[in-house]
This record gives sequence, C-alpha cells and structure tokens, in this order.
Amino acid sequence: DAKTTQPPSMDCAEGRAANLPCNHSTISGNEYVYWYRQIHSQGPQYIIHGLKNNETNEMASLIITEDRKSSTLILPHATLRDTAVYYCIVRPSSRGSYIPTFGRGTSLIVHP
Amino acid sequence: EAGVVQSPRYKIIEKKQPVAFWCNPISGHNTLYWYLQNLGQGPELLIRYENEEAVDDSQLPKDRFSAERLKGVDSTLKIQPAELGDSAVYLCASSFEGAGTQYFGPGTRLTVL
Repeated sequence: DAKTTQPPSMDCAEGRAANLPCNHSTISGNEYVYWYRQIHSQGPQYIIHGLKNNETNEMASLIITEDRKSSTLILPHATLRDTAVYYCIVRPSSRGSYIPTFGRGTSLIVHP
Repeated sequence: EAGVVQSPRYKIIEKKQPVAFWCNPISGHNTLYWYLQNLGQGPELLIRYENEEAVDDSQLPKDRFSAERLKGVDSTLKIQPAELGDSAVYLCASSFEGAGTQYFGPGTRLTVL
C-alpha cells in the first residue's frame, strides 16, 4: 500500500486560504487519495477524496497532480475552527487486505 | 442520522484489570474498524471486520486483545489484562464497503494506572 508524506505543521491566517500538501509518490492506479481531519479530542472527520480529477465540496478542494504523485488540500477561507490535524491517506478502490496508514498528519493552526 | 457510537468515552483502570469498549456503527455499514491512537500519532488499525468476519487482524496483539462482532452490527474490543502502555484512545470507524469512506466515532480514552 502506498504511503504518504506530509509536513508536520503549518499555520495560516484566518480568512486566508490554507494549502496543505501531501506526497504519495508510490500511489497505484487503483488507489484513491483521502483527506481526514481531527479536531482535538474528537475522532477523525472525512473531508474529501479523489482519484484523478480535482474535487470540490462544501468543506474543501482537492487538487491532484497529473502524475498523481502528490496532492493539495485547499481550505479556501480558513477559520479558527479549521485548526486541526489533517491526514492524507491512500486507499484502494477494491476490497481485499488493506491496512489504512494515517501517519502523523499536518497540524494546522489558524491564527486571528 | 446517528453517527458511530462508542462507549464509554473515558475509562480509568488499574494495570492487570480487564476493560471492554463498545462500538455501534452507522446503520447499514457492513465494515467496522478498531484503531489505536497514541498521543501525537495518527490512528493505527487494530482489526477490520467485514460483517462478522475479521479480515484484517494482523495488527491486533492477540495475547491480551480480543474483539468480536457476533451479529455483524455492533462490536466489542477487550483488553485482558491491561498494561500501562495500553493507555491511548481507541477509535471505532465504519464504512459502507471495505474500501469506502470511513466514519469515525469520538473514541474511548483509556488510562491505565
């Protein structure tokens, strides 16, 4: 299973866009990129996922490079409530033996 | 719709005591996961169920940990006996299919004294 690499921490000013990078250079053709976030003392929360195309929902946008070796999660207008640890993982599209690997994620701090 | 429910939210026990955690997944989700999360780390998979069958349990320390999902719905994770190093957050998640989006519960914070 492909592994991901994320910067340990980032900070962003409130109201600005937060761009969180993720490297997944060994991703396979059938693996999706998923993003979750975890606010202190809560369980991880699903944000968005994608395979090849860029994706957008009410929470964020996901930009995947053409070679699929990296991606960026974009929070267009960060708020203080977006302060959390953000995890990027890859998941196969099919069933079978699979061990999700979350890593340490990126700790995003949004400051006033 | 209710999310993933876990109980208790907090548990404090002395070492060598047994402890059990309960999880009720989102209705209709056939896949259930138990994770361990140490402070400052990401969640680590302990076991994954497809309905009542454990399909990924290689990460579960079987000498002291056990899990069951008898009717393919709710699940119990047990530790017997607990050790100091078991202090962590135990997370449960569920998904509609084995490779689908996971939805997590709030977790159980275990403290072993």
